[in-house]
Amino acid sequence: GQNIDQPTEMTATEGAIVQINCTYQTSGFNGLFWYQQHAGEAPTFLSYNVLDGLEEKGRFSSFLSRSKGYSYLLLKELQMKDSASYLCAERGAGSYQLTFGKGTKLSVIP
Amino acid sequence: EAGVAQSPRYKIIEKRQSVAFWCNPISGHATLYWYQQILGQGPKLLIQFQNNGVVDDSQLPKDRFSAERLKGVDSTLKIQPAKLEDSAVYLCASTLDRGGTEAFFGQGTRLTVV
Repeated sequence: GQNIDQPTEMTATEGAIVQINCTYQTSGFNGLFWYQQHAGEAPTFLSYNVLDGLEEKGRFSSFLSRSKGYSYLLLKELQMKDSASYLCAERGAGSYQLTFGKGTKLSVIP
Repeated sequence: EAGVAQSPRYKIIEKRQSVAFWCNPISGHATLYWYQQILGQGPKLLIQFQNNGVVDDSQLPKDRFSAERLKGVDSTLKIQPAKLEDSAVYLCASTLDRGGTEAFFGQGTRLTVV
């Protein structure tokens, strides 16, 4: 299986930019996903990277480096509603299963 | 488009009792997943179905957990007998096919075993 490592908690100020890092084992890699999960709710899809580079989608961007086993999620112009857990997940080759990290709890403060 | 439906939303049972959760995926989605999410952790895959067949159940505790998807549409996950450590949120997700890039999750069933 894959070991997914991401920080447990982060705090950032409304209007600022925050970067959430994720590292994973590179063997059998078939895509890196980011999900957002508000407390008590289901995870919702944010982004998917399978090739190296930056994918931008509005205020959210996701970056991947396959050789380094590294990804980050960048959130710009933070809003209070961005307070949530952000889950990094790796999809394995062949099985297409998602293996999730423990999630990073982001708190946005005024 | 209707999302992934799960029921019940909440369930409290005593240890050694049995419980069942139901999931109806998005219409036309061939791949269905059951995840267990313990408080403060990420979801952990229990079982993956492709249509009505099991693709992977390697992390399913088969001595007490079972799951089926008989007609390749909705699915049931059962725990019998339940243990205290089974307290978690059980999430169902579906994708159009195994290679689908976006998995859609249901609201989950929060199970408390006392």
